[in-house]
Amino acid sequence: QKEVEQDPGPLSVPEGAIVSLNCTYSNSAFQYFMWYRQYSRKGPELLMYTYSSGNKEDGRFTAQVDKSSKYISLFIRDSQPSDSATYLCAMSAGGNEKLTFGTGTRLTIIP
Amino acid sequence: SAVISQKPSRDICQRGTSLTIQCQVDSQVTMMFWYRQQPGQSLTLIATANQGSEATYESGFVIDKFPISRPNLTFSTLTVSNMSPEDSSIYLCSVEDGLAGNTIYFGEGSWLTVV
Repeated sequence: QKEVEQDPGPLSVPEGAIVSLNCTYSNSAFQYFMWYRQYSRKGPELLMYTYSSGNKEDGRFTAQVDKSSKYISLFIRDSQPSDSATYLCAMSAGGNEKLTFGTGTRLTIIP
Repeated sequence: SAVISQKPSRDICQRGTSLTIQCQVDSQVTMMFWYRQQPGQSLTLIATANQGSEATYESGFVIDKFPISRPNLTFSTLTVSNMSPEDSSIYLCSVEDGLAGNTIYFGEGSWLTVV
């Protein structure tokens, strides 16, 4: 079993819909959680960073962390075609621990 | 966040040759890393580039194949040696934001195709 599980998709939704992207993990020591967006043939871009449990909102993006369930989510409201990309979750225990990445979910927003 | 520049952005390489990728950061950073992302796969950490000393390699990666230099706190190079088609990948330089729990930022990547 992988430490971080992420549905690879692909996921296609119509423009304007709410998108929900999720990751589950097995390591209870993880306490730092990130979401990256990666456009085709580009480097990953940090979207959201969350420490421990709770919600964090930034514009159309909301990140949720439920440590009791070992489950994190990224919600995109009013989705736009420009949101079409691969979304990777990443997490770490902090200190000198390296980041562990999910495999990424490929998202397409249909105009 | 730091601005990370990588060169080349892409290249087509002949089997058996070597290529050096350069990474320049616009500010001094303590931690620099090199990742590989093979087609359709997630990110795999190759090594941590240590300033003034040998890089720290992850399991499955060796110095002879992926020599790394880091002469100062703003620059690093990764060489992919004796390339084979299996080395076709995006190679990503990244730096850590020490104030945000191991959050790392990536360069644009270097897309290598080995023929």
